[in-house]
Amino acid sequence: DSGVTQTPKHLITATGQRVTLRCSPRSGDLSVYWYQQSLDQGLQFLIQYYNGEERAKGNILERFSAQQFPDLHSELNLSSLELGDSALYFCASSEGVRGVDYGYTFGSGTRLTVV
Amino acid sequence: KNQVEQSPQSLIILEGKNCTLQCNYTVSPFSNLRWYKQDTGRGPVSLTIMTFSENTKSNGRYTATLDADTKQSSLHITASQLSDSASYICVVKIPGGGADGLTFGKGTHLIIQP
Repeated sequence: DSGVTQTPKHLITATGQRVTLRCSPRSGDLSVYWYQQSLDQGLQFLIQYYNGEERAKGNILERFSAQQFPDLHSELNLSSLELGDSALYFCASSEGVRGVDYGYTFGSGTRLTVV
Repeated sequence: KNQVEQSPQSLIILEGKNCTLQCNYTVSPFSNLRWYKQDTGRGPVSLTIMTFSENTKSNGRYTATLDADTKQSSLHITASQLSDSASYICVVKIPGGGADGLTFGKGTHLIIQP
């Protein structure tokens, strides 16, 4: 167990729908990062939050949004879902803002299937 | 465009054998290069990290090498075990960049057969 908790583990939904993925970071970690991993594709960075504030943004679609709450858990909202949004969505967390330099820990992911 | 290419895409070897995975990148300049191991259905776990000035880094049976001149890195696995079956991902970071400064390879899928 990495200490980063993602729920649900699996999600199947229809095109056009909206879903919310949840991530609880490791105890003491203030940064949360969201990644998308499509079949046979490399991990794509979506967005990072640090202590409730957006810190960095990657290739996140306008249909996607995220936030980090005062208790530091984060939610990734995906709306108007398309078949191409089917992927593994990972959350990672780190103590500081520079987790990509000093190390961050990934959760086990949420597998989203859009039918 | 910054790219990270990994080869082979997949590899099957017998338990106990050695293997080498390759990573070629066009990211320039770069700050560091990491190798991750990703078990099926799990998140990636860091194996090694090397800065541009380092040539080799070991972590148990895993040894990563880096040639910054040719922009190539390799991950050598010695005396493979069944638990080494996983995807191995090469990641390159640009200097000064944050989370948006990483480029991930697509990974090599390694299968260890008994």
